[in-house]
Amino acid sequence: EPEVTQTPSHQVTQMGQEVILRCVPISNHLYFYWYRQILGQKVEFLVSFYNNEISEKSEIFDDQFSVERPDGSNFTLKIRSTKLEDSAMYFCASSGGGTGRKTQYFGPGTRLLVL
Amino acid sequence: GENVEQHPSTLSVQEGDSAVIKCTYSDSASNYFPWYKQELGKGPQLIIDIRSNVGEKKDQRIAVTLNKTAKHFSLHITETQPEDSAVYFCAASTGGGADGLTFGKGTHLIIQP
Repeated sequence: EPEVTQTPSHQVTQMGQEVILRCVPISNHLYFYWYRQILGQKVEFLVSFYNNEISEKSEIFDDQFSVERPDGSNFTLKIRSTKLEDSAMYFCASSGGGTGRKTQYFGPGTRLLVL
Repeated sequence: GENVEQHPSTLSVQEGDSAVIKCTYSDSASNYFPWYKQELGKGPQLIIDIRSNVGEKKDQRIAVTLNKTAKHFSLHITETQPEDSAVYFCAASTGGGADGLTFGKGTHLIIQP
């Protein structure tokens, strides 16, 4: 069964450093998303991406965040200058087109720890 | 924006009994309501979803009901098993495929042997 994959599974970084989180969505999906989950809290939407541009973003997704689809398979989230409060689990998700466009499938996540 | 409330935060049931988790949403434009199961250290896994043109949907031991008038929806798990122990999240979204999901705070379901 196709699945969303994410790398790395864990990332430790120093405050102020840049990090790039990588995702490979399900191959025929058209919509891509990033979410985050601070330890013990609910999953929060960051951004959605369709047709090579951002479709929707939340208040969390400020200027320090960016997303990119550098090739036909990868989808990345860049955090330019990490802060302590960026420590969280980051999930990538994807959904297909047509009637399946609302069903989002999540990857296993990247646990980011900012020291 | 949308706000999703979920109750209870923790639910403990005896193996074989039923479990019910309830959610309410605020935005009447929401029309898609998925439920996710999250096991420790893993990503959310979709277990069932319902669209606003349907009042109930069932898949084996799992069912979801939707009351659009009252803006609430519920997850029902029958004949619970130890492997059902996990955190369950409800979510809601509006519009098209690019819309993000708004999640509830989650319910930690504990199945007692």
